[in-house]
Amino acid sequence: NAGVTQTPKFQVLKTGQSMTLQCAQDMNHEYMSWYRQDPGMGLRLIHYSVGAGITDQGEVPNGYNVSRSTTEDFPLRLLSAAPSQTSVYFCASRRDGINSPLHFGNGTRLTVT
Amino acid sequence: AQSVTQPDIHITVSEGASLELRCNYSYGATPYLFWYVQSPGQGLQLLLKYFSGDTLVQGIKGFEAEFKRSQSSFNLRKPSVHWSDAAEYFCAVGGYGGSQGNLIFGKGTKLSVKP
Repeated sequence: NAGVTQTPKFQVLKTGQSMTLQCAQDMNHEYMSWYRQDPGMGLRLIHYSVGAGITDQGEVPNGYNVSRSTTEDFPLRLLSAAPSQTSVYFCASRRDGINSPLHFGNGTRLTVT
Repeated sequence: AQSVTQPDIHITVSEGASLELRCNYSYGATPYLFWYVQSPGQGLQLLLKYFSGDTLVQGIKGFEAEFKRSQSSFNLRKPSVHWSDAAEYFCAVGGYGGSQGNLIFGKGTKLSVKP
């Protein structure tokens, strides 16, 4: 049981480049989400999804796009990377029920130069 | 507005000493409360959670937390800290209120353990 798998682990981009951060879970969880973690800021919600075909914005959605074509996958797209998007990104999922705990991936460390 | 405050950015304790990490929340509905731990280079792991009932909850690795509604607090405790407890700890709140159950995280408390 792999849980939540994020790829890549590390990525360096130049300003203006685009890329997709991958997230997959094998627990059949309906809810998936993306957070970014910055020093002294804790975790901030970027986008989330409550099921295939349904996505919504979190606290800091600007500069990021998501889609949810399958239950398993929830990719995060950076259309035109900016230095302010340098961060550690975490994908998390949970089963139905808002009192269910989140299961986190190990993160993607992104640097934009 | 919904928020979580962890007043201590960094705490250092001696191995074997007791530990209390503070968490205060502001939430308009019935809160669900969580404590997560993050080891360096890793994702977050659930330590414990509170939904209802007994206000003292037990978690993994010997941790416990007490929910105090009157103080809007959910402090994490451990009677005797081990060197392997050195990590960053996050308090989070979620629940009803139109948020789809999205968790709001505190900014974290980094725990260092002296030998």
